[in-house]
Amino acid sequence: DSGVTQTPKHLITATGQRVTLRCSPRSGDLSVYWYQQSLDQGLQFLIQYYNGEERAKGNILERFSAQQFPDLHSELNLSSLELGDSALYFCASSVATAAGANVLTFGAGSRLTVL
Amino acid sequence: GQQVMQIPQYQHVQEGEDFTTYCNSSTTLSNIQWYKQRPGGHPVFLIQLVKSGEVKKQKRLTFQFGEAKKNSSLHITATQTTDVGTYFCAGRSSNTGKLIFGQGTTLQVKP
Repeated sequence: DSGVTQTPKHLITATGQRVTLRCSPRSGDLSVYWYQQSLDQGLQFLIQYYNGEERAKGNILERFSAQQFPDLHSELNLSSLELGDSALYFCASSVATAAGANVLTFGAGSRLTVL
Repeated sequence: GQQVMQIPQYQHVQEGEDFTTYCNSSTTLSNIQWYKQRPGGHPVFLIQLVKSGEVKKQKRLTFQFGEAKKNSSLHITATQTTDVGTYFCAGRSSNTGKLIFGQGTTLQVKP
């Protein structure tokens, strides 16, 4: 157990639908990162939050949004889902902001299947 | 934008053979991290290199950071079946502070 909790572990839905993925960071970590990993692909950075504020943005689609709440948990919202959105979505947390030489602790991931 | 290229994409070795994966950045890095993702698992932090020319060892794994801080390598001596997985490098840009992951090298070890 890495200390980063992601729910749900698996999710199957239909095209056009909307889903919310949830992440609770490791205790004491202020930064949360979201990554997308498609089949046999690398880790595509989506977005980072630090202490409730958006800190960095990657290749996140306009149909996707995220937020970090006062208790530091984060949610990734995926809407108007397409087949190509099927992937493993990882949340990671770290102590400091992107400016620091900090290490990422990953959760077990949420596997999204869009039919 | 900053790119981190990792080669090879796949490597199949016989158990006992050595393995090396290489990571190259288009820009200078302030540090580089290595992660391992077992099949069906999530990436797990292995090590971080910060200094130019730095070499660190973890048992059979040797990590190097280039003198120009733009490349890195991971070498595994005498692979074992437990080494199977995908190895990712992640470089942090000196300019932007962003952490960019390489595409990963997937290692298969035949017993």
